[in-house]
Amino acid sequence: GENVEQHPSTLSVQEGDSAVIKCTYSDSASNYFPWYKQELGKGPQLIIDIRSNVGEKKDQRIAVTLNKTAKHFSLHITETQPEDSAVYFCAASIGNTGFQKLVFGTGTRLLVSP
Amino acid sequence: DTAVSQTPKYLVTQMGNDKSIKCEQNLGHDTMYWYKQDSKKFLKIMFSYNNKELIINETVPNRFSPKSPDKAHLNLHINSLELGDSAVYFCASSLTDSSGNTIYFGEGSWLTVV
Repeated sequence: GENVEQHPSTLSVQEGDSAVIKCTYSDSASNYFPWYKQELGKGPQLIIDIRSNVGEKKDQRIAVTLNKTAKHFSLHITETQPEDSAVYFCAASIGNTGFQKLVFGTGTRLLVSP
Repeated sequence: DTAVSQTPKYLVTQMGNDKSIKCEQNLGHDTMYWYKQDSKKFLKIMFSYNNKELIINETVPNRFSPKSPDKAHLNLHINSLELGDSAVYFCASSLTDSSGNTIYFGEGSWLTVV
């Protein structure tokens, strides 16, 4: 089955710096890679996703890159702000059966200091 | 206008009791899920239902019994609660599509077994 590893487990940056979180996956059949942000006391919320036919996707300060050969994908946050502080989860999914089974990474606690 | 709503948000109960968590989505999705998040923040899928039918059962103890009266509802009943069942349980939903659709999570139900 799919296994997703995520690093680092914690990340502290100064406001305005960039933050990078990396994930690797094991199942080469995975074709959908979302990133979720979980704030304290809330459920995970999708912030960006990428599909296997795309190498990079950007949405304002957030970007995701995918290297299918190496089976890793990364989240990049530029110009970080204190409100970016949260736990971030990567996930991988095999969607070809029509029913998604997201396997999550272990999470990265991002702390952005003013 | 909450998309995925689950109740109760907090639940404290004694070992051996039976409890239920209810979930409803108003997004028109046909697939619903239950995820468990433990104290280390690991998020793992427990069940997935599509149009009221069980699709995924991740070797969850049979003390856990999901019930889907219709495709907008997926309730989770837990019998003979154990200390190790203490966790946050997230309900989620999505459209069934092989390309990978966004999974929307509820706010979570904090279960504490004492």
